[in-house]
Amino acid sequence: EVQLLESGGGLVQPGGSRRLSCAASGFAFNNYAMDWVRQAPGKGLEWVSGISGSGDSTYYADSVKGRFTTSRDNSKNTLYLQMNSLRAEDTAVYYCAKVVYRNYPWVDGFDFWGQGTVVTVSS
Amino acid sequence: DIQLTQSPSFLSASVGDRVTITCRASQGISSFLAWYQQKPGKAPKLLIYAASTLQNGVPSRFSGSGSGTEFTLTISSLQPEDFATYYCQQLNSYPSITFGQGTRLEIK
Repeated sequence: EVQLLESGGGLVQPGGSRRLSCAASGFAFNNYAMDWVRQAPGKGLEWVSGISGSGDSTYYADSVKGRFTTSRDNSKNTLYLQMNSLRAEDTAVYYCAKVVYRNYPWVDGFDFWGQGTVVTVSS
Repeated sequence: DIQLTQSPSFLSASVGDRVTITCRASQGISSFLAWYQQKPGKAPKLLIYAASTLQNGVPSRFSGSGSGTEFTLTISSLQPEDFATYYCQQLNSYPSITFGQGTRLEIK
């Protein structure tokens, strides 16, 4: 059974940092790209970042580029999101998600999601 | 960036109704479109990928169609558990993906 379990959320002051983790199980973690998606209170879904299966390639939304860093440790089946210079507008539920491939390497969706971890940026 | 526009943004319907949600892309995305269902306080759930492929375990009353710039999600006979918010997602430009703004489906 595929499971994704996020942790690391909490209250952070503006300008502060936070590292989120996503522990994966039930699938060959290193064979799949992984992504982070967030949802601000009462708002829709926003893609944040993605990382290839090997970890060699990372991608970011313009809204977080230069402030957030995605990484993975395939030996620990864990995905990370390091968030620096946090702003009030980064307040959201953060989800990690596993991609689904119809024909590798083209990604067709996110078939498993974590339960989400809440990050609140406030003084 | 590719923009996705869902319509309607809000839909009121009754159990047993057939409902259709439309998602329009600002440029062609082939069939790289997915649909998700999200209930309050829960993570999104993948319903449809590749525009029309039903995800494992999703009831057959859900179906998707379209290609290029116009896509639809149809629920053939609404069930009480289907009342939720639905999002489309384009992956043609993965990893730079976008979501539609959502369609909230409520009980009439």
